[in-house]
Amino acid sequence: NAGVTQTPKFRILKIGQSMTLQCTQDMNHNYMYWYRQDPGMGLKLIYYSVGAGITDKGEVPNGYNVSRSTTEDFPLRLELAAPSQTSVYFCASRTGLGNSPLHFGNGTRLTVT
Amino acid sequence: AQTVTQSQPEMSVQEAETVTLSCTYDTSENNYYLFWYKQPPSRQMILVIRQEAYKQQNATENRFSVNFQKAAKSFSLKISDSQLGDTAMYFCAFMYLDDKIIFGKGTRLHILP
Repeated sequence: NAGVTQTPKFRILKIGQSMTLQCTQDMNHNYMYWYRQDPGMGLKLIYYSVGAGITDKGEVPNGYNVSRSTTEDFPLRLELAAPSQTSVYFCASRTGLGNSPLHFGNGTRLTVT
Repeated sequence: AQTVTQSQPEMSVQEAETVTLSCTYDTSENNYYLFWYKQPPSRQMILVIRQEAYKQQNATENRFSVNFQKAAKSFSLKISDSQLGDTAMYFCAFMYLDDKIIFGKGTRLHILP
């Protein structure tokens, strides 16, 4: 199984550009999450989804949008990129049963200059 | 809102020693789940151990165990017989029943040969 796949692995954006970070999982997990990891700041939850068609804001949703049209895919959209969005982005999924753990992708390193 | 605090930004211990990483959290809820994740230099997030708040017995996974003190809202991780491969960032995470999963800022652990 591929697990959780994130693309691209690296990306450099100019201020004001837009892009979509792709995330797909092949484990038939209902729950999916987007986090950003800044140095020394741990992981901050951006958005999460408990199933297709359902999304909720996390701790730091401003400047981002998500959609969940299928169980497998949970893309994260950055509109009007800003330097403050320079970070490593992680997508994760879980079954949603009890204390089922998160399965993480390998991350996308994004630099906005 | 739930918060997770890891008060030790960085720790170093000699190989084969025992080390304890601290985690406290703030919640008014009674039912929730707690996790420890490890992030080695490869950046991949790996589940170490998990605990259900309704279970009084502390979770154990081989050399890893927790000290869960519900009244004190404390969830520390003990690593026994530490190994060089334990060198990593360790994150404490809290999940309430709304399925939001919040992480602490992490503790960078160095195992010294």
